[in-house]
Amino acid sequence: DAKTTQPNSMESNEEEPVHLPCNHSTISGTDYIHWYRQLPSQGPEYVIHGLTSNVNNRMASLAIAEDRKSSTLILHRATLRDAAVYYCILGSGAGSYQLTFGKGTKLSVIP
Amino acid sequence: EPEVTQTPSHQVTQMGQEVILRCVPISNHLYFYWYRQILGQKVEFLVSFYNNEISEKSEIFDDQFSVERPDGSNFTLKIRSTKLEDSAMYFCASSDPLLAGGLYEQYFGPGTRLTVT
Repeated sequence: DAKTTQPNSMESNEEEPVHLPCNHSTISGTDYIHWYRQLPSQGPEYVIHGLTSNVNNRMASLAIAEDRKSSTLILHRATLRDAAVYYCILGSGAGSYQLTFGKGTKLSVIP
Repeated sequence: EPEVTQTPSHQVTQMGQEVILRCVPISNHLYFYWYRQILGQKVEFLVSFYNNEISEKSEIFDDQFSVERPDGSNFTLKIRSTKLEDSAMYFCASSDPLLAGGLYEQYFGPGTRLTVT
């Protein structure tokens, strides 16, 4: 299975943009890139996904490198509520839809 | 906004006892999942379920575990004879292939904390 690498932790000031990186150098052509987050004491929450093009939704933006070996989740204005562990997960949909969570990046937001 | 619910929020049981964890998935979703997270560790996949059958299961999901959709709304995880190492947060999730993220867009419940003493 293709693997992802994320920094263990990051900090951001409130109201500032946050760029959360993910490396996935062994990604296959059919792998989608999915991002989830887990707020303290809650279940994981779907954030966004993409294949090749950059994507935006109400929660975040996803920037995907041209070679697809890395991606960046962008929170445009961090709020205290965005403090969570963020997970970058690959999935090809080839008959298996289990989410394989790594350790993720713990984002702290400083007021 | 529709959400996945789970009961109880916390279950304490003695080693060797059977427990049933309950989930009500989002009403129009057809695919259901159980995951667990031991304190301080990663979220781990246990099982997926569709059309009244297990679609996929992990090595963790051994003969002590079973899942059932007893009626049109509930989805349950049963652990037959609990062990100390079963202590964890158990999350139920559901999804629908028509969602933008397909079956990878899974909606999780708040979890049931299982404590085995």
